[in-house]
Amino acid sequence: GAGVSQSPRYKVAKRGQDVALRCDPISGHVSLFWYQQALGQGPEFLTYFQNEAQLDKSGLPSDRFFAERPEGSVSTLKIQRTQQEDSAVYLCASSLTSGGWDNEQFFGPGTRLTVL
Amino acid sequence: AQKITQTQPGMFVQEKEAVTLDCTYDTSDPSYGLFWYKQPSSGEMIFLIYQGSYDQQNATEGRYSLNFQKARKSANLVISASQLGDSAMYFCAMREGPGYKLSFGAGTTVTVRA
Repeated sequence: GAGVSQSPRYKVAKRGQDVALRCDPISGHVSLFWYQQALGQGPEFLTYFQNEAQLDKSGLPSDRFFAERPEGSVSTLKIQRTQQEDSAVYLCASSLTSGGWDNEQFFGPGTRLTVL
Repeated sequence: AQKITQTQPGMFVQEKEAVTLDCTYDTSDPSYGLFWYKQPSSGEMIFLIYQGSYDQQNATEGRYSLNFQKARKSANLVISASQLGDSAMYFCAMREGPGYKLSFGAGTTVTVRA
């Protein structure tokens, strides 16, 4: 398909386990974003990539969260030693360029992470 | 401080009627963009409409229109002729200054009744 894809769609982890969430952006999109959406809330910004450069990671809640985009396309969000408060939907979005006010972000379906 | 405020947690609307979803925002930046997204139960965020802070006219996209009142810092979404498929969560979001990330409100759940 031509949209943003994420895998897995659902992930159940035991507290303390490490997880890796994958995002495949739309081909050619320069910008990639990760957001965290708690149940019943709006998404919260986690981090931003322009190509392979991580330009903003101010939203990452702790040093257990790590994101990478080594070749400027696919991105992985890794959460180490998961905690129950990490349970949320993790949304990935991409946009064609980095500038422009009306630069639309296209969202993937999200990965629902449940930490037991 | 909350950048985006959506005060209506849930709304019911009759099919074929119009509904207005409230959104107020807070920014000191003269340049910003306002977005509305729809999130059905499947979870994917669907872009609906965009309004720039310098746009003179209110944005419209099909059955969606944005009632932009800059002095009041409000950007309400109007959905005309509601359809059953409009039942979803709706989020208002803002991009401000030289930034790129979106700040979202808490959302409003819309349920369309037949």
